[in-house]
Amino acid sequence: KQEVTQIPAALSVPEGENLVLNCSFTDSAIYNLQWFRQDPGKGLTSLLLIQSSQREQTSGRLNASLDKSSGRSTLYIAASQPGDSATYLCAVAPQGGSEKLVFGKGTKLTVNP
Amino acid sequence: ETGVTQTPRHLVMGMTNKKSLKCEQHLGHNAMYWYKQSAKKPLELMFVYNFKEQTENNSVPSRFSPECPNSSHLFLHLHTLQPEDSALYLCASSQGWGGYEQFFGPGTRLTVL
Repeated sequence: KQEVTQIPAALSVPEGENLVLNCSFTDSAIYNLQWFRQDPGKGLTSLLLIQSSQREQTSGRLNASLDKSSGRSTLYIAASQPGDSATYLCAVAPQGGSEKLVFGKGTKLTVNP
Repeated sequence: ETGVTQTPRHLVMGMTNKKSLKCEQHLGHNAMYWYKQSAKKPLELMFVYNFKEQTENNSVPSRFSPECPNSSHLFLHLHTLQPEDSALYLCASSQGWGGYEQFFGPGTRLTVL
């Protein structure tokens, strides 16, 4: 059974700092991995999707990497801003064409001005 | 309206009530999903519809009844719920089956008294 773990559960940093959020998964047989952002009481916003054949994806100040063999992904946020404060969720799509995304519990990020 | 919309945004109901949650996607997608997000738990997939056909029922109690009249609309009919069903219910859609990126609505915050 696929399990997704995100460490740390919460992170507080000063504005301007570069930071890394971690995601690990137990079964390397994945179709893709997706990072989401969730603001309090709101829905999820898709940030980046990495196919299993890819090593990384970039969007603006965000860079996500994938090491499928070791079951790890990282989300790198450059020059963090208070507006980046949110919960970041990692989800993997198992191989086999299933749409059943398996989510981690998320990392709650606070960027202090 | 753009993206994925959900109504109502907040709902309070008694255990004997019957209510429905509505989701509409304006993205031309063919797959739609219901997720449940409880406090301190990962997102849980409830149902998946692909081209209006239910393809996944993740062992959800029968007091939750989904309906997908067309590829743009998804409903979740609720009856005789329990207080532990209180959660954020999220709808999502994707272009199709097989690892496509999922786009989420803002969610309905449900409280069962």
